[in-house]
Amino acid sequence: GDSVTQMEGPVTLSEEAFLTINCTYTATGYPSLFWYVQYPGEGLQLLLKATKADDKGSNKGFEATYRKETTSFHLEKGSVQVSDSAVYFCALSGEGGGADGLTFGKGTHLIIQP
Amino acid sequence: EAQVTQNPRYLITVTGKKLTVTCSQNMNHEYMSWYRQDPGLGLRQIYYSMNVEVTDKGDVPEGYKVSRKEKRNFPLILESPSPNQTSLYFCASSLSARAYYGYTFGSGTRLTVV
Repeated sequence: GDSVTQMEGPVTLSEEAFLTINCTYTATGYPSLFWYVQYPGEGLQLLLKATKADDKGSNKGFEATYRKETTSFHLEKGSVQVSDSAVYFCALSGEGGGADGLTFGKGTHLIIQP
Repeated sequence: EAQVTQNPRYLITVTGKKLTVTCSQNMNHEYMSWYRQDPGLGLRQIYYSMNVEVTDKGDVPEGYKVSRKEKRNFPLILESPSPNQTSLYFCASSLSARAYYGYTFGSGTRLTVV
């Protein structure tokens, strides 16, 4: 079945550092890929998405590129802020339409220190 | 405001006492789903519904029931809760089963079964 693997945290960085959170997936065909963010005490919010190979999703300074050849969707940001501290989830929706929902990674807890 | 509303936000109950967690969305979404979030396991789908009167099991349905009598509501029922159902629960909805439209998540219900 489909699966998502992402680096486990916590990941601790200083403000203005460069961020990379790795995400790789296993799925047949061409799934849609997502990054969700969960701030403390809140539900998940869609951060960005990509629906076909070589697409780049971007939002709030975050970027991720759908790499079919390496089955990856790594999240990057050039200069993180304290307000970026949250849990980040990589997820996929199967090529068949995702009727059975999203498959999530286990989440990466990001801590940004001033 | 477009949203998914879950109630209650926090609940402590005793083993075996039936409970219902409500979920309501105001976006006329067809697809709704329940997830549980546990440390080290990420989010796992419990049940989903593609439309009124259409529900199906997710990855971890044991011990849960759902119903979809109206488009906007998708309650999660625990007939006889047990301590292993202590978790953080999220309801989500989407325009359709195609997840690339993005899911809207509720704020979560933290359930403790003692």
